[in-house]
Amino acid sequence: KNEVEQSPQNLTAQEGEFITINCSYSVGISALHWLQQHPGGGIVSLFMLSSGKKKHGRLIATINIQEKHSSLHITASHPRDSAVYICAVSGGSGGSNYKLTFGKGTLLTVNP
Amino acid sequence: KAGVTQTPRYLIKTRGQQVTLSCSPISGHRSVSWYQQTPGQGLQFLFEYFSETQRNKGNFPGRFSGRQFSNSRSEMNVSTLELGDSALYLCASSLGYRNEQFFGPGTRLTVL
Repeated sequence: KNEVEQSPQNLTAQEGEFITINCSYSVGISALHWLQQHPGGGIVSLFMLSSGKKKHGRLIATINIQEKHSSLHITASHPRDSAVYICAVSGGSGGSNYKLTFGKGTLLTVNP
Repeated sequence: KAGVTQTPRYLIKTRGQQVTLSCSPISGHRSVSWYQQTPGQGLQFLFEYFSETQRNKGNFPGRFSGRQFSNSRSEMNVSTLELGDSALYLCASSLGYRNEQFFGPGTRLTVL
């Protein structure tokens, strides 16, 4: 069974700050997902990656397969970035490709 | 392109009853996954269907079941409801396990 740990659990930032959220997992995977959940429940998939780095707008996700670690960066943070960010992994020796195992999430609050 | 839709959005039931939740995936998506989200346990995988076949199941009792129809729409059923089944139930669709998942808005189930 894969264990997914996220840090920090809570993060408060001022608008414009650079933000980093970390995710580590215990066994090999086939893919890692970063998800965003706003109050009210809707979940949006931000990234799915299995190696290297991906960028979308102000969001950057990186993964180090050897170290079993991923980071989500937000540049020039904005209050609308306030949400829960969830890391999830699938596949590899940690389980089925079809099953996501989730971290507990990081609550990000960006103040104006 | 329409997103993932879930019905109903809110549901109140009493202990012992049963409930059926529905999920319509994005057109063309053949994989549908179901997840349960609670404040205590976070997000947990329930099961995943592809082309009407259940490919993987999470660690939930047999009271939780699901099915997928030929048009890829999926239903999940919970029988003999317990207070602990109160949760947000999310479904997500994708083209396949190598593709990102698109989440629906969820069904919030309250068991009294």
